[in-house]
Amino acid sequence: KQEVTQIPAALSVPEGENLVLNCSFTDSAIYNLQWFRQDPGKGLTSLLLIQSSQREQTSGRLNASLDKSSGRSTLYIAASQPGDSATYLCAVKDAGNMLTFGGGTRLMVKP
Amino acid sequence: KAGVTQTPRYLIKTRGQQVTLSCSPISGHRSVSWYQQTPGQGLQFLFEYFSETQRNKGNFPGRFSGRQFSNSRSEMNVSTLELGDSALYLCASSLAPTANQETQYFGPGTRLLVL
Repeated sequence: KQEVTQIPAALSVPEGENLVLNCSFTDSAIYNLQWFRQDPGKGLTSLLLIQSSQREQTSGRLNASLDKSSGRSTLYIAASQPGDSATYLCAVKDAGNMLTFGGGTRLMVKP
Repeated sequence: KAGVTQTPRYLIKTRGQQVTLSCSPISGHRSVSWYQQTPGQGLQFLFEYFSETQRNKGNFPGRFSGRQFSNSRSEMNVSTLELGDSALYLCASSLAPTANQETQYFGPGTRLLVL
């Protein structure tokens, strides 16, 4: 059974810092890995999707890497802003179309 | 293109009642998945429908059921509600189950409170 773990569970940083969120998964037989953002009480917004054959994806100030063999992914956020405050979730897609989610990292960026 | 819509957005029910939640996927998307999100268990997969057929089902009791219509809209039903069913129920749509290069798009969710 796939298990996804995110570290840290919570993070508070001052504005402008670069930061790294970590995600690990137990079964490397995945189709893709996705990073999502969730604002309080809201749905999920897709940030980046990395296919199993890819090593990284970039979108603006976000960069996500994938090391399938070691079961790890990182989300790098450059020059953090207060608007980045949210919960960040990683999810892996393996069997069928099912996503297995990590517990999330709750990020607070202080002005 | 309109996003995934879910109705109702908020719902309050009492124990023992049943509830039906609705999800309209993005136009052209034929795969719909449902997830339950609670503070204790996080996001958990409920089931997935494609072409009106349930393809996968998560580890939930039979009180949780769903269906998909020919226009790809989906409903999920929870019978004999329990306090522990209080959660945010999220629906996600994608083009097809095998579209591994495509993300799943999530709706805003239905927040269910069981009293």
